[in-house]
Amino acid sequence: NAGVTQTPKFQVLKTGQSMTLQCAQDMNHNSMYWYRQDPGMGLRLIYYSASEGTTDKGEVPNGYNVSRLNKREFSLRLESAAPSQTSVYFCASSERGNPYEQYFGPGTRLTVT
Amino acid sequence: QKEVEQDPGPLSVPEGAIVSLNCTYSNSAFQYFMWYRQYSRKGPELLMYTYSSGNKEDGRFTAQVDKSSKYISLFIRDSQPSDSATYLCAMSETSYDKVIFGPGTSLSVIP
Repeated sequence: NAGVTQTPKFQVLKTGQSMTLQCAQDMNHNSMYWYRQDPGMGLRLIYYSASEGTTDKGEVPNGYNVSRLNKREFSLRLESAAPSQTSVYFCASSERGNPYEQYFGPGTRLTVT
Repeated sequence: QKEVEQDPGPLSVPEGAIVSLNCTYSNSAFQYFMWYRQYSRKGPELLMYTYSSGNKEDGRFTAQVDKSSKYISLFIRDSQPSDSATYLCAMSETSYDKVIFGPGTSLSVIP
């Protein structure tokens, strides 16, 4: 079991470039999440998907889009990267109705210059 | 005021010490309380969670919730260098709600 995997691990973008962060889980979880983590701010929810085919905005959705491709995969897209999006991005998954037991991926460190 | 607050530390203790990590919160509707541990450059991992008030023990770790004071704690007994990490508290209102994380407390256990 790989758990939750994320690609890439590191990325440097120039302002205005676009990219997609990939996330996959092999635990047959219904719910998946995207967070960003910044110093002193903790984990902040960007988007989540309670089940395949549904997505909802979290606390900080501006500048991001998501796709729940299937039950396993949940991608996060930055259409036009900005320096304020420099952060560490974590994907997580959980059983539906069990958001207190989330399993996190290793993270993607993104720098936007 | 942030919904969930933690002292960011860093907290430095000698090996074998009892560690107390704390969070305060403002939303009285929170019912699920979690503690996650995050090693440097890794994703968070769930340590334990409690529902409503009371204590929960798991090995060297004890979680306490005081809903009347809107205050939760994590105690680590006989702390080990391997406990050196950032500890994040987290909370949600119901089992179908989003989870709100605190900013984390950095802990170093010195051999």
